[in-house]
Amino acid sequence: GAVVSQHPSRVICKSGTSVKIECRSLDFQATTMFWYRQFPKQSLMLMATSNEGSKATYEQGVEKDKFLINHASLTLSTLTVTSAHPEDSSFYICSAREFGGPGETQYFGPGTRLLVL
Amino acid sequence: GIQVEQSPPDLILQEGANSTLRCNFSDSVNNLQWFHQNPWGQLINLFYIPSGTKQNGRLSATTVATERYSLLYISSSQTTDSGVYFCAVDAASKLTFGTGTRLQVTL
Repeated sequence: GAVVSQHPSRVICKSGTSVKIECRSLDFQATTMFWYRQFPKQSLMLMATSNEGSKATYEQGVEKDKFLINHASLTLSTLTVTSAHPEDSSFYICSAREFGGPGETQYFGPGTRLLVL
Repeated sequence: GIQVEQSPPDLILQEGANSTLRCNFSDSVNNLQWFHQNPWGQLINLFYIPSGTKQNGRLSATTVATERYSLLYISSSQTTDSGVYFCAVDAASKLTFGTGTRLQVTL
């Protein structure tokens, strides 16, 4: 089946540093990838949609200069949290929509837990 | 935007019991998916079900698109079924997740 990986799975950083999270589709091509954020005991909130080779589309209220998204190939998207602060601590999850796959099914990565001290 | 509400928010079952989880959405959708989020955070696709009924082992799902709801049935629950169940609807080429049902199955 379709597999999506994320790296790293967990990261702890100091306030003010930048953190890059990678999302890869391992056995399929993904023209569209999505980034979500999930706070404890809450639902997933879509942050942005990225299409290969074009600029990401950000949801209302998400700072595009703080959360930089790059989708350079059909199998890789990256999210960079710039100048991270404690309030950015969260669980970040990516998903990928398989090009030509069944319907509009999205496949999710295992998530990255970010803790900013 | 579209609203997606799930009920109940929390559910405790004894192993072997059956349950029904509900997902209501406020507008027409292109598709609906059910997910199980395990205790480590991984989201697992259960069903892609824009309409009709599907079954997979002890799980089955029914979506009545005209009435804007979907149901997830869990039969003979096991402790490994514990976690959070989300429905998510696609209304504009992006998924909107429901509020979730947190399920705990006890021995």
